[in-house]
Amino acid sequence: NAGVTQTPKFRILKIGQSMTLQCTQDMNHNYMYWYRQDPGMGLKLIYYSVGAGITDKGEVPNGYNVSRSTTEDFPLRLELAAPSQTSVYFCASSYLAGAGTGELFFGEGSRLTVL
Amino acid sequence: TQLLEQSPQFLSIQEGENLTVYCNSSSVFSSLQWYRQEPGEGPVLLVTVVTGGEVKKLKRLTFQFGDARKDSSLHITAAQPGDTGLYLCAGAQGGTYKYIFGTGTRLKVLA
Repeated sequence: NAGVTQTPKFRILKIGQSMTLQCTQDMNHNYMYWYRQDPGMGLKLIYYSVGAGITDKGEVPNGYNVSRSTTEDFPLRLELAAPSQTSVYFCASSYLAGAGTGELFFGEGSRLTVL
Repeated sequence: TQLLEQSPQFLSIQEGENLTVYCNSSSVFSSLQWYRQEPGEGPVLLVTVVTGGEVKKLKRLTFQFGDARKDSSLHITAAQPGDTGLYLCAGAQGGTYKYIFGTGTRLKVLA
């Protein structure tokens, strides 16, 4: 029962470095999401995907890129890391029975610190 | 602009007290969801409300969707320490699959 798996769980980056956060799900869900959560706050949507080959911007896409080449994987790329990108990143997937009614299943999060 | 505003932001109460958390928007949502998140974990779905005016109960938790489908509330009766956590409302914008979350309400229930 893997569900949504995120790697790495923790990472420290230097300013200007780049990295990819990996997300994979084994539930055959079409819909996948990346969120960031700053301390004590709600979640902000970065990018989302409604199926392989289709991605779209969320609320805070600047500084990030995504791709969706398979149903299972939805990696998030950080280019030229900045201290403002220090956050906990959550990947989620959903089957979405109808628009806006499906349950989001979340990974355990990836804690990123940019120094 | 945060489309889903929650209030209060923080709430600390004694065990046995009742409380209500609000989720408000100026936009209409086809449905709203409530999630609870515990430290170090991802959010977990509590309920989905779909019809305007709908009321759903989950043990001591009562959820209501506003008649105009722009707001929702979560009422907890006789709160327990196990209810401690971050409560988040969420909805898909404008009939899309773009799920956004509210600002969050952090609840602490003291024994």
